[in-house]
Amino acid sequence: DGGITQSPKYLFRKEGQNVTLSCEQNLNHDAMYWYRQDPGQGLRLIYYSQIVNDFQKGDIAEGYSVSREKKESFPLTVTSAQKNPTAFYLCASSIQSLSPLHFGNGTRLTVT
Amino acid sequence: KQEVTQIPAALSVPEGENLVLNCSFTDSAIYNLQWFRQDPGKGLTSLLLIQSSQREQTSGRLNASLDKSSGRSTLYIAASQPGDSATYLCAVCGYGQNFVFGPGTRLSVLP
Repeated sequence: DGGITQSPKYLFRKEGQNVTLSCEQNLNHDAMYWYRQDPGQGLRLIYYSQIVNDFQKGDIAEGYSVSREKKESFPLTVTSAQKNPTAFYLCASSIQSLSPLHFGNGTRLTVT
Repeated sequence: KQEVTQIPAALSVPEGENLVLNCSFTDSAIYNLQWFRQDPGKGLTSLLLIQSSQREQTSGRLNASLDKSSGRSTLYIAASQPGDSATYLCAVCGYGQNFVFGPGTRLSVLP
């Protein structure tokens, strides 16, 4: 089955530690995205990548970093510079930009 | 900058009722609009996508309409069932831009 796999489902970290969230897709999609979801708010775009070895900042990129070394993989690192990292993180992909989005099941990150 | 709102924020209806969820956007120059469903603690599942040239799309008991000039889309759910209980989000994509999401409508269908 084609889809997007995010791991782990739950992640707990101490304040001051960097943490990396995994996102893998086997849909052969060119574009990949990272969103953050907080209670009562719409999804906010962190980073996106339209092609391998290229990525762009979204609306709330501060305190996050990404890489896109392979078409199927788009990991997100939440650094210690992110002031409020506790949130639900969603990875998505699309055939190309402007195409319909497909989502993974998300990673819930809790930082204490 | 595109802004997307959804009204109501929450809705509770008895099983079998037909219902309408609303999505409004401020910039009518859109490329397409996508409706999603989200179950608690899960990712988003795509329901319908409407291109800017279309007026509506249908899938089973779901019908989505688009009125670009007024900056509105509606999602109509016929004969609602308890399994329809979820949060419904709309997302709008402008030319050369990424999708902008609304905050969602949380739907509860009571048996």
